[in-house]
Amino acid sequence: AQSVTQLDSHVSVSEGTPVLLRCNYSSSYSPSLFWYVQHPNKGLQLLLKYTSAATLVKGINGFEAEFKKSETSFHLTKPSAHMSDAAEYFCVVSDRNGGYNKLIFGAGTRLAVHP
Amino acid sequence: EAGVAQSPRYKIIEKRQSVAFWCNPISGHATLYWYQQILGQGPKLLIQFQNNGVVDDSQLPKDRFSAERLKGVDSTLKIQPAKLEDSAVYLCASSISGGAGRNEQFFGPGTRLTVL
Repeated sequence: AQSVTQLDSHVSVSEGTPVLLRCNYSSSYSPSLFWYVQHPNKGLQLLLKYTSAATLVKGINGFEAEFKKSETSFHLTKPSAHMSDAAEYFCVVSDRNGGYNKLIFGAGTRLAVHP
Repeated sequence: EAGVAQSPRYKIIEKRQSVAFWCNPISGHATLYWYQQILGQGPKLLIQFQNNGVVDDSQLPKDRFSAERLKGVDSTLKIQPAKLEDSAVYLCASSISGGAGRNEQFFGPGTRLTVL
């Protein structure tokens, strides 16, 4: 079965400094991987997705993630944090269920951004 | 385009009572999902519909939870009777299809359930 492990439950950065949110995955086949963001009292929003094309994936709001098969990792990065980036981030793997895909979420990483 | 709508946004009930949540997916989306998100955890899929048929309900506690999607559009999730451990945010999502290719899921704002 597919699974993801988010290595940090909380990350705190200063505004303007780089962001790194770590995610490792487990998959018996070439996975589809996603990062979602959840702001307080708002729905989950897709940041970016990897579906076996380019290993460096660019998403919205300046975020990007690199798929590294040898390390089974899909870490999320951003060069410079903004206050508005403070939210919960979920690493997600897609699991095949017959002819359908099923999302398996990690436990989440809460990102705090300080002035 | 309008997003996924859910109501109510908040609900407080006592244990052993019943509760129902409603979801209206994005127009034209064939696949609808209900997730349970317990505080401090990632969302967990409860049930997935393709049009008005159930594709996956393997993690739905069927002794107390039920869901339906009449006419392949709106959906209702019910809990009867509720337990304390059902306190969570219930998220609805929809996608154009459930298979590979056009299965990006769009999420509603969720219903926060508190069971006392």
